[in-house]
Amino acid sequence: GAGVSQSPSNKVTEKGKDVELRCDPISGHTALYWYRQSLGQGLEFLIYFQGNSAPDKSGLPSDRFSAERTGGSVSTLTIQRTQQEDSAVYLCASRWGPDLEQYFGPGTRLTVT
Amino acid sequence: DAKTTQPPSMDCAEGRAANLPCNHSTISGNEYVYWYRQIHSQGPQYIIHGLKNNETNEMASLIITEDRKSSTLILPHATLRDTAVYYCIVSNDYKLSFGAGTTVTVRA
Repeated sequence: GAGVSQSPSNKVTEKGKDVELRCDPISGHTALYWYRQSLGQGLEFLIYFQGNSAPDKSGLPSDRFSAERTGGSVSTLTIQRTQQEDSAVYLCASRWGPDLEQYFGPGTRLTVT
Repeated sequence: DAKTTQPPSMDCAEGRAANLPCNHSTISGNEYVYWYRQIHSQGPQYIIHGLKNNETNEMASLIITEDRKSSTLILPHATLRDTAVYYCIVSNDYKLSFGAGTTVTVRA
């Protein structure tokens, strides 16, 4: 079946611009995560959505970062006034109910010039 | 504040078993051990997880010591496509914290 998809696959933007990254989770998966991976680093947790519960935003690095999940499915990660240190691969993952394994998308590579 | 310790890299011969160690000496009773891998330029891929007992699936086996302070991921017959960064993670909630992992290179 279809896996987690993310768009765009690559995004180059100028410093100070806003960007939106999209994630389409696996159909039926109730949990959705956003992670960030800087060059040569491990994954950094950003935000977690579970059903209709309030999201866990504890990993968002600043108030320039926000995310929403509409209708319990598609999610958008927004970065306002991008900075060069925001350059990274942004990964989305989804999980079904009580299962523990997360399924990751291919990521969006963001480059801020 | 790393919960796991893994060697930074290791080589393995194609067709042989690859044994990947992980130390998690501060693991608590309700924390699971997870293994994921990340092939270059792809998102991480779930491999296996366990709590106390050894586990096996179509990809790998997970051996957890009796005191749960360490574990070993075994890839029974490594192929070139198994070349990746392997992450050992301990967690008791919905969040996973990925460290630097072990870069495994399978050589022909």
